[in-house]
Amino acid sequence: GQQVMQIPQYQHVQEGEDFTTYCNSSTTLSNIQWYKQRPGGHPVFLIQLVKSGEVKKQKRLTFQFGEAKKNSSLHITATQTTDVGTYFCAGKVGGGSNYKLTFGKGTLLTVNP
Amino acid sequence: DTAVSQTPKYLVTQMGNDKSIKCEQNLGHDTMYWYKQDSKKFLKIMFSYNNKELIINETVPNRFSPKSPDKAHLNLHINSLELGDSAVYFCASSQNPGQGTGNTIYFGEGSWLTVV
Repeated sequence: GQQVMQIPQYQHVQEGEDFTTYCNSSTTLSNIQWYKQRPGGHPVFLIQLVKSGEVKKQKRLTFQFGEAKKNSSLHITATQTTDVGTYFCAGKVGGGSNYKLTFGKGTLLTVNP
Repeated sequence: DTAVSQTPKYLVTQMGNDKSIKCEQNLGHDTMYWYKQDSKKFLKIMFSYNNKELIINETVPNRFSPKSPDKAHLNLHINSLELGDSAVYFCASSQNPGQGTGNTIYFGEGSWLTVV
């Protein structure tokens, strides 16, 4: 079945350092979404990427969708303690059920102040 | 007002018991889901309903039975609870999968189930 792999599993940084998490799919994705889950909280939608090679920015966060639509990345510039949490990518395979997003296993980011 | 609300938030129960988790969304969405998040934080879809119709059933044991009385509600009943059922269960909804951002998933705050 479809797999969405995400690395690294954990990342610890000093406040002010950059952070990147990567997401790779075994198959071409129709779109990819990113979610953030704070400790003890629930996943919250951040963004959706649809087009090949798409790049979107949200303040210090930069999201990219690969040209082949099989990979994506989330980059945070100059991390802050408020960035702590688990970041999940979630993808839908083209032609597959529209109701099923497959989530990566997430990257837990911790930030040392 | 909470968009997707689920109760209870915390549930501790003994093995073999039967329990239910209720979920309601006030977003007017057509699709609702149950996700399970284990201790390793892995989010896995269990069920999906669209307009009260079961769309996805991801090889979940028969002890888990979802019920959708209307499109705003999706409850989860679990029979004969086992230790391995301990997890956080998230209810979620989306507007219209397959159309633009319609498949954005809105999660409830989660129900922490502990089986002892």
